[in-house]
Amino acid sequence: TQLLEQSPQFLSIQEGENLTVYCNSSSVFSSLQWYRQEPGEGPVLLVTVVTGGEVKKLKRLTFQFGDARKDSSLHITAAQPGDTGLYLCAGAGTSGSRLTFGEGTQLTVNP
Amino acid sequence: EPEVTQTPSHQVTQMGQEVILRCVPISNHLYFYWYRQILGQKVEFLVSFYNNEISEKSEIFDDQFSVERPDGSNFTLKIRSTKLEDSAMYFCASSELGPNTGELFFGEGSRLTVL
Repeated sequence: TQLLEQSPQFLSIQEGENLTVYCNSSSVFSSLQWYRQEPGEGPVLLVTVVTGGEVKKLKRLTFQFGDARKDSSLHITAAQPGDTGLYLCAGAGTSGSRLTFGEGTQLTVNP
Repeated sequence: EPEVTQTPSHQVTQMGQEVILRCVPISNHLYFYWYRQILGQKVEFLVSFYNNEISEKSEIFDDQFSVERPDGSNFTLKIRSTKLEDSAMYFCASSELGPNTGELFFGEGSRLTVL
């Protein structure tokens, strides 16, 4: 069974601060996706990383896939209150069609 | 922008009753999925569906569950005899390609409450 561990589980910071969320596993994934989920809604895809060592930037968000494709990180620069939400990482296995989700990181950015 | 739509948004049912959750995936997508999220827990894979058949199912997806694509647009999840522990948010998702390279688009979810 593939598992993804996210850390931290909760993060409360002030507006303007930087933060990093980590997603780790002992398993290799063919790709890793980051989602954001608002209360009572479905996850919304932010980015997919496929290649080991890949770095993708989405405005103030930087996503990195580990060289061994077992871990990933999400870095937010100069966080804003609008970044508040639940961030989920999800890995696609090297075989099969399921995504394995992490527990999520609940981010709160205080004005 | 195309989106995955789900109905109902919330259903309350008695234990032992049958429930059908409906989804309309994005029209040009070929892969369809059901996930569930019990309150306060992680999103869990239930089943994937491609080319009119189940391609993978999890250990959660037992004989009480079934999926169907009755026409060219709907994708349904049926729970034959609901149990209290089936109470959860059920998310339908679709992708143009498989999840290894494709992006999954999730619906807003159907909240199922079993009393």
